[in-house]
Amino acid sequence: EDQVTQSPEALRLQEGESSSLNCSYTVSGLRGLFWYRQDPGKGPEFLFTLYSAGEEKEKERLKATLTKKESFLHITAPKPEDSATYLCAVHPRTRSGGYQKVTFGIGTKLQVIP
Amino acid sequence: SQTIHQWPATLVQPVGSPLSLECTVEGTSNPNLYWYRQAAGRGLQLLFYSVGIGQISSEVPQNLSASRPQDRQFILSSKKLLLSDSGFYLCAWEAGLRDTQYFGPGTRLTVL
Repeated sequence: EDQVTQSPEALRLQEGESSSLNCSYTVSGLRGLFWYRQDPGKGPEFLFTLYSAGEEKEKERLKATLTKKESFLHITAPKPEDSATYLCAVHPRTRSGGYQKVTFGIGTKLQVIP
Repeated sequence: SQTIHQWPATLVQPVGSPLSLECTVEGTSNPNLYWYRQAAGRGLQLLFYSVGIGQISSEVPQNLSASRPQDRQFILSSKKLLLSDSGFYLCAWEAGLRDTQYFGPGTRLTVL
């Protein structure tokens, strides 16, 4: 069964204090790994899709990287507006032509303090 | 650009009452559509997905059902709500081969 484990569950940073969020996954063949940001009471907002080990993508203060077993979301010099829950999800390769559902992690709740 | 709508935004319903949540997508054709439920401390749980009009696949057997009467409309229903149906319901769309799922704003359902 596909699994996604995110750590830490919660992270509190001072404004400007860089850090990384981890997403470890187990899947028999990766089609894509996704990162989302979710604010309280709202739907997840898409950030990145990564397809193969070694791939990196950046958006403002965020940078996502991918290895064969995990992905990191690096946050450089975070601001209070970066406070949110960050979700990781994996989409496995199709097996026997059937649909393979996306598996989501529980998320990392990030709080950036001014 | 594509937009996804969900309504209502919040809903409080008594146990045993019916349910109808609606999701519509604008700016794309023949999207794959999904219903998820998100409970506190748990990952998103896939409930239903649809690859076309009238085509519904269920991931979790329960008292909920889904329908897709039009290409960009996805409806989640129940004849009789249970307390355990409370949660945050999310609709998502996917442009087929591009894989990335984009989520709507969600509906917060409380069953009392």
